[in-house]
Amino acid sequence: ETGVTQSPTHLIKTRGQQVTLRCSSQSGHNTVSWYQQALGQGPQFIFQYYREEENGRGNFPPRFSGLQFPNYSSELNVNALELDDSALYLCASSLVDSEQFFGPGTRLTVL
Amino acid sequence: GESVGLHLPTLSVQEGDNSIINCAYSNSASDYFIWYKQESGKGPQFIIDIRSNMDKRQGQRVTVLLNKTVKHLSLQIAATQPGDSAVYFCAETRGGGGADGLTFGKGTHLIIQP
Repeated sequence: ETGVTQSPTHLIKTRGQQVTLRCSSQSGHNTVSWYQQALGQGPQFIFQYYREEENGRGNFPPRFSGLQFPNYSSELNVNALELDDSALYLCASSLVDSEQFFGPGTRLTVL
Repeated sequence: GESVGLHLPTLSVQEGDNSIINCAYSNSASDYFIWYKQESGKGPQFIIDIRSNMDKRQGQRVTVLLNKTVKHLSLQIAATQPGDSAVYFCAETRGGGGADGLTFGKGTHLIIQP
C-alpha cells in the first residue's frame, strides 16, 4: 500500500452534473498529481498541485479544476460532466520531482 | 506524446520463465523513465525507474534497459510468478515527474500460465 487514499471508491453521475473527488497524500509528500484512465488505456495527466498552486497541466479543458489544501490533500472537480468523462481517476502524491505514488482511484460513471 | 490505443497487447509466459516487455517512448527531451504494474481494480504500482544518464538498472527480479538512440525501454522480469500477472505501463517525463506529469505508454497485459 502506498498510503495514498482516495474517496469515494465509486461514483455514478448523470451528464451535466458536477463531481468532486478527494485525495489524501502520503505522509510527508507536498505534491499531488491527478490522472484520468479510460478503460483499456494508460493514465493521462490532468494537472499537478504543489504548495497549493497548480504547477502543471495536461490537455484537459478548464471544466477540470482542482485544489490543494495546507495539509497537502487535494480535490479534483469536474463540471458539466460528459459521457466521455467516465473513467478511473487516479491521484498520485510525491515530493516535487520525485517518484509518484498512486492511490487506488475513483471509478466515475457518467450516464 | 504517444497515442494510446484501445487494445492492450498481451504477453503470455509460463510460470518460471523470464519475460520481456517493450516500450517505445516519444519525447526526446524525457530524462526519467518508470515502469508501473497495475493489477485489476488498483492504481499503478512503482516497479523500477531509470534516468537518462544510465542504460541499465537492476532491482529484485527486474531489470530495466534504456536505449536512447532508438527511444526504447524494456522491462525484464526473471522467473515469473503468478503474482506478476498484471498490466505493465512504461512512463516518461522530464525532470523527474514534475510539472509536465507522467506520459504513459500503451500497456502490456502479462499473463502467467501455470
